[in-house]
Amino acid sequence: EAGVTQSPTHLIKTRGQQATLRCSPISGHTSVYWYQQALGLGLQFLLWYDEGEERNRGNFPPRFSGRQFPNYSSELNVNALELEDSALYLCASRKVAGTGLGGYTFGSGTRLTVV
Amino acid sequence: GNSVTQMEGPVTLSEEAFLTINCTYTATGYPSLFWYVQYPGEGLQLLLKATKADDKGSNKGFEATYRKETTSFHLEKGSVQVSDSAVYFCALNPSNSGAGSYQLTFGKGTKLSVIP
Repeated sequence: EAGVTQSPTHLIKTRGQQATLRCSPISGHTSVYWYQQALGLGLQFLLWYDEGEERNRGNFPPRFSGRQFPNYSSELNVNALELEDSALYLCASRKVAGTGLGGYTFGSGTRLTVV
Repeated sequence: GNSVTQMEGPVTLSEEAFLTINCTYTATGYPSLFWYVQYPGEGLQLLLKATKADDKGSNKGFEATYRKETTSFHLEKGSVQVSDSAVYFCALNPSNSGAGSYQLTFGKGTKLSVIP
């Protein structure tokens, strides 16, 4: 079974540009979560998508947005990039509630560097 | 609000030493508790979990017991190996997160280095 795949692995952008990160969940998983792992800050919850809808978002400005496609893959878009957006962005997927608290399955992440 | 506090690292141990990584939490009700591990260059992997007080999660020689009275979920392993070198994250899912939410609150992570 293929795991959660994220692309690209690394991304370098200039301040003010836009970045698009992609995530493909495990087959059969309908929920996708995005987390930001910035140096020294641990993992911060960004966004949760389920069945194509944004269900919840963390304490991030509106320039962080995304969407989920009919095949449950997801995009994270970061507009007007700032230096402090440099981080590892992790995507995770899981089945809808009712299948037990098995935890997320994480991808390997996209390392975004803003220069 | 919900929060998780882990001991700050890095932690450096010799092979076969005993490991404890402390984790305490703040949450209302009865959250579910997790330990995740992140090996270099990889995403996070679920190591173990506990969903109610006094539950013990275990996997690959690691154990953690859900202690409601001390709001703790310390990770332990009796004899660490070089291959255990990684960053370990404690996390919780609040009991009031809403059906299907499953939004985790993570600690900042503890880096473990095991030397031969």
